[in-house]
Amino acid sequence: AQRVTQPEKLLSVFKGAPVELKCNYSYSGSPELFWYVQYSRQRLQLLLRHISRESIKGFTADLNKGETSFHLKKPFAQEEDSAMYYCALSANAGNMLTFGGGTRLMVKP
Amino acid sequence: EPEVTQTPSHQVTQMGQEVILRCVPISNHLYFYWYRQILGQKVEFLVSFYNNEISEKSEIFDDQFSVERPDGSNFTLKIRSTKLEDSAMYFCASSDQQNTEAFFGQGTRLTVV
Repeated sequence: AQRVTQPEKLLSVFKGAPVELKCNYSYSGSPELFWYVQYSRQRLQLLLRHISRESIKGFTADLNKGETSFHLKKPFAQEEDSAMYYCALSANAGNMLTFGGGTRLMVKP
Repeated sequence: EPEVTQTPSHQVTQMGQEVILRCVPISNHLYFYWYRQILGQKVEFLVSFYNNEISEKSEIFDDQFSVERPDGSNFTLKIRSTKLEDSAMYFCASSDQQNTEAFFGQGTRLTVV
């Protein structure tokens, strides 16, 4: 069975500081990894996925199969990045997403 | 921009009552999902639906739960006899293909009293 772990429930940084939101997973096959974001009073929305290798809103995430990690990084945090971030995994057979517990990012001015 | 729409936004029901949560997926999407999030816990997968049948379901999705696409636009989740522990935020999602981005609705907060 797959599992996603986000060890930090809350991460607080100052504006302009680097950010790294940690995500570790366990899955025996080839997973697809995603980061979803939920801004205050808004819906869950996809931020990025590992296969697209894009940088969205300055965020990047690299899949490290050796460490089974998919950490989300941004070199300079902005106040508007404050939100709840969820790492999620999809097994190669289907669409079911397994979510981590989420990390609340607070960017202070 | 097309969105997944869920109604109602908040539903309060008495224990033992049946409740139906409604979702209108994005119109050209073919895959539909329900997730739930109990307060303070993870977002959990309940069920996926494709081609008018359930394609995957979790252990949570027991005989008390059912899904239906009654009219080609709505996608509903029914809980037959609600329990206190069914209180949660229920999210509907849809995607156009397998393993593509799932678009989520705003959620329905279900409170069982």
